[in-house]
Amino acid sequence: DAKTTQPPSMDCAEGRAANLPCNHSTISGNEYVYWYRQIHSQGPQYIIHGLKNNETNEMASLIITEDRKSSTLILPHATLRDTAVYYCIAGAGYALNFGKGTSLLVTP
Amino acid sequence: EAGVAQSPRYKIIEKRQSVAFWCNPISGHATLYWYQQILGQGPKLLIQFQNNGVVDDSQLPKDRFSAERLKGVDSTLKIQPAKLEDSAVYLCASSLGVVQGYEQYFGPGTRLTVT
Repeated sequence: DAKTTQPPSMDCAEGRAANLPCNHSTISGNEYVYWYRQIHSQGPQYIIHGLKNNETNEMASLIITEDRKSSTLILPHATLRDTAVYYCIAGAGYALNFGKGTSLLVTP
Repeated sequence: EAGVAQSPRYKIIEKRQSVAFWCNPISGHATLYWYQQILGQGPKLLIQFQNNGVVDDSQLPKDRFSAERLKGVDSTLKIQPAKLEDSAVYLCASSLGVVQGYEQYFGPGTRLTVT
């Protein structure tokens, strides 16, 4: 699986868009990009995934660059409940190789 | 829809004792995973089952850890004997299958403290 690089922490004001970057410069053609988040003392929660195209669901949008070497998770209107650790994972199989993720703090 | 259930939620044991964790996946999910999450790190896959067969246990410390999934539904993870470094949260997850793109649903985890 490709290695991913994420900033260790980010802040975002409530109501603003949170843009979480992820670098996966060694990603191969059959590897998906997955995003999960983990709120304190809970198990990880699936957010979104994609291969080449940008994706959107009720939780977030995933923007993948044309060369697929990086991606951005966008939470369009962050709330205090979005405070969590966000994991970007690049992989081709069933196993999710979690790194340390980005700790997002949403402030009032 | 009921989520992934795990028990107990918390367990404190002394080193060299044994402990067991239980997981009940979402109904109909063929694939079940056990992860270990040490404080400050992301979860690490220990073992994966497809129905009641093991798909991947390459990161399971087999000298002390064992897991089974009888009848392809519930699963039990056991540690015997426990070491201090086994202190972690043990997460169970399930998914519909192993095809790429299937999201994994996680339980709340069992927090193990080994003293």
